Amino acid sequence: TQLLEQSPQFLSIQEGENLTVYCNSSSVFSSLQWYRQEPGEGPVLLVTVVTGGEVKKLKRLTFQFGDARKDSSLHITAAQPGDTGLYLCAGARGSSNTGKLIFGQGTTLQVKP
Amino acid sequence: EAGVTQFPSHSVIEKGQTVTLRCDPISGHDNLYWYRRVMGKEIKFLLHFVKESKQDESGMPNNRFLAERTGGTYSTLKVQPAELEDSGVYFCASSRSLGEGDTEAFFGQGTRLTVV
Repeated sequence: TQLLEQSPQFLSIQEGENLTVYCNSSSVFSSLQWYRQEPGEGPVLLVTVVTGGEVKKLKRLTFQFGDARKDSSLHITAAQPGDTGLYLCAGARGSSNTGKLIFGQGTTLQVKP
Repeated sequence: EAGVTQFPSHSVIEKGQTVTLRCDPISGHDNLYWYRRVMGKEIKFLLHFVKESKQDESGMPNNRFLAERTGGTYSTLKVQPAELEDSGVYFCASSRSLGEGDTEAFFGQGTRLTVV
């Protein structure tokens, strides 16, 4: 059973386009994290959202946590080739265990120049 | 400050053999986690250490997997005997405990295990 459904799994777009990646679950998470992973490397944390309805921005990336803390989205504005990579969402349960995470399947993003 | 390091980066072994993966967490991080990603699947939690104690091993697939963290520093994950379905990328992550600052989990680069 996949607890955190991430979509789309693959996305190929042109430079300058916008995109949104979604993570959905029927379960409530205490926090949700977004990671980016490069080939041959481990996931690197981009952002953590904790409060329902929370919106965080990181340059051209906007992260939102659903009001019910069951879903999240990552929106990239004017994508650049440097944004190419694997994006992962991961949810945590419990306030003291941020490292025990439930991951989505990941979204492989390719931004073509 | 050195990050989480894992050894080896790649390992190819035959079915039935034994393999030991090692993880060196960031110095001072009490929490150490093992995760695994098998082909086509999501990254899944295996085990959580707090210092040298196993806090949660609910994700360990079976008794062929043995994790240790003697002295609360580095950790090893032994697979004995290895089976084909054990192939995948094994990640280690570490984090501080609550009250000691940011509790972000930092991941190592992973060990790619191939069982043939």
